Amino acid sequence: EADIYQTPRYLVIGTGKKITLECSQTMGHDKMYWYQQDPGMELHLIHYSYGVNSTEKGDLSSESTVSRIRTEHFPLTLESARPSHTSQYLCASGLTEDYGYTFGSGTRLTVV
Amino acid sequence: AQKITQTQPGMFVQEKEAVTLDCTYDTSDPSYGLFWYKQPSSGEMIFLIYQGSYDQQNATEGRYSLNFQKARKSANLVISASQLGDSAMYFCAMREPSGSARQLTFGSGTQLTVLP
Repeated sequence: EADIYQTPRYLVIGTGKKITLECSQTMGHDKMYWYQQDPGMELHLIHYSYGVNSTEKGDLSSESTVSRIRTEHFPLTLESARPSHTSQYLCASGLTEDYGYTFGSGTRLTVV
Repeated sequence: AQKITQTQPGMFVQEKEAVTLDCTYDTSDPSYGLFWYKQPSSGEMIFLIYQGSYDQQNATEGRYSLNFQKARKSANLVISASQLGDSAMYFCAMREPSGSARQLTFGSGTQLTVLP
């Protein structure tokens, strides 16, 4: 049973729409992360958070924004979706850096 | 510069045989961690195994073992007795301090196909 949940699993949306990808975890982890992954390619960190009211941008520049108002919730928002945003978005959380993150099942976003 | 290098875009292995997936890394920090993840076609990332830079012994988890050669900066994943369900993308990743951002950096992955 998953302890980190991402919704929606798949999303097809028109250009210019505002979207929010949801990520919630029930493990009480302080550290949460968003990765972007094109099909068959490596993962790139776009946002991370070390706790409530803490958010930072990752290595890959992204037009998305994130918020961390509650420990368990780390949503990602695109104010105006574009076809270049088509990708898979993976959310992860971790207790310490010495052990693997737990990943959600991902959101596959297609912008048409 | 690439921090994690996986030189095998694709690998094939016969069912029940062992397979080694290569991973080399680059860091100047003495304290780091190395991870392997499995990503099936469904897309989720499954944590397989972890090796700390100060660990004396190679990590093992069931059929997975990590061949850690610190001087060569390599951390190859060995899967013994391959099963059809092992067919997936495999990613090597490294955690190193980078300011306050101790996040994982991933390699480009190896697509493993297990043949019946």
